[in-house]
Amino acid sequence: QKEVEQNSGPLSVPEGAIASLNCTYSDRVSQSFFWYRQYSGKSPELIMSIYSNGDKEDGRFTAQLNKASQYVSLLIRDSQPSDSATYLCAVYNTDKLIFGTGTRLQVFP
Amino acid sequence: SAVISQKPSRDICQRGTSLTIQCQVDSQVTMMFWYRQQPGQSLTLIATANQGSEATYESGFVIDKFPISRPNLTFSTLTVSNMSPEDSSIYLCSAEDDGNTIYFGEGSWLTVV
Repeated sequence: QKEVEQNSGPLSVPEGAIASLNCTYSDRVSQSFFWYRQYSGKSPELIMSIYSNGDKEDGRFTAQLNKASQYVSLLIRDSQPSDSATYLCAVYNTDKLIFGTGTRLQVFP
Repeated sequence: SAVISQKPSRDICQRGTSLTIQCQVDSQVTMMFWYRQQPGQSLTLIATANQGSEATYESGFVIDKFPISRPNLTFSTLTVSNMSPEDSSIYLCSAEDDGNTIYFGEGSWLTVV
């Protein structure tokens, strides 16, 4: 079992819709969780971090964490074509950050 | 957040040669890391660059192939030794801030021919 799992996609949503990206992790003791966005040809850019169960909102982005289910998600409201990118879930575990394989999001006009 | 500069940003290298990538952070950081991203893949941690001591390598990566230096709290280098086409990748330097958040440099895009 991979340490951090994501559906590779692509996830296609129309402009203005909510995009929902999901991630599961295997190590129960993980405490810190991150979402990065990576445009083609660019390095990863941090979008959100979350440490406690529940929701954390930042603008159009909402991160959700459920430690009991070992599940973290990212919601993007009012999706824009500029949101089209690969979204990487990352889990901080014993002094290192482990990445999922990423989900490719396509937002079409 | 930390601002991380890497160079070279891009290079084409001959097989059998070695290339050193430099990483400079704009503030002192405790933890620095080197990742590799092969074409179409996610990020894989190569090693943690430890200041004043040998780097800590992940499974599948060895010091002879990827020697790393960390002479101070703002600078690190990664050398890719005896390169083969399989080493064609993006190499990413990263640093962790006081809040356990990891930021990335812009990456070094290596093509081995």
